[in-house]
Amino acid sequence: SQQGEEDPQALSIQEGENATMNCSYKTSINNLQWYRQNSGRGLVHLILIRSNEREKHSGRLRVTLDTSKKSSSLLITASRAADTASYFCATNTGNQFYFGTGTSLTVIP
Amino acid sequence: GAGVSQSPSNKVTEKGKDVELRCDPISGHTALYWYRQSLGQGLEFLIYFQGNSAPDKSGLPSDRFSAERTGGSVSTLTIQRTQQEDSAVYLCASSPSPRGLYTQYFGPGTRLTVL
Repeated sequence: SQQGEEDPQALSIQEGENATMNCSYKTSINNLQWYRQNSGRGLVHLILIRSNEREKHSGRLRVTLDTSKKSSSLLITASRAADTASYFCATNTGNQFYFGTGTSLTVIP
Repeated sequence: GAGVSQSPSNKVTEKGKDVELRCDPISGHTALYWYRQSLGQGLEFLIYFQGNSAPDKSGLPSDRFSAERTGGSVSTLTIQRTQQEDSAVYLCASSPSPRGLYTQYFGPGTRLTVL
């Protein structure tokens, strides 16, 4: 399977702390994207990093990509209760996207 | 502008019945994807449409599943003779690019429950 795997499966932190989640995948990719899902309905795109990029920032989000290790990490700094959600990485090869099983993040106020 | 819409938002059906799920993508988006998400699981790719090209059906789990995309816009996912294991949230996404260089925009999903 080309599906990505997120780690950890669940993460619980205090508001204000940083949250780091990781994604590993199996095949070469065009790009990797991170999505957030609230309440099990619909996904919202967070950030896209291309295969020739190593790091990307967007607001409180920082994504890294290591194609040699076939892994990516998503860092959310200064977490807020509103960040509570499931986070998925998605790898793109050709026309298809492969989503991981997600990390469930709980930010405690 | 309007995002991806899906209908119905919830569907409860009896085992053995057929169901149709609808997706209205963002206007102008050429790529359309259907996914299935079972409780607490990731997204399972079902089918991909790109313009007028033949769809990529490689993710459809059985011949009870089919999908159409009319006029390069609205798509319908049909599940015939539904089974309890078909219960899941069915998500549709559209994208302006066929090559995965752009993000996917997801609809809110249809929650299907087969009794």
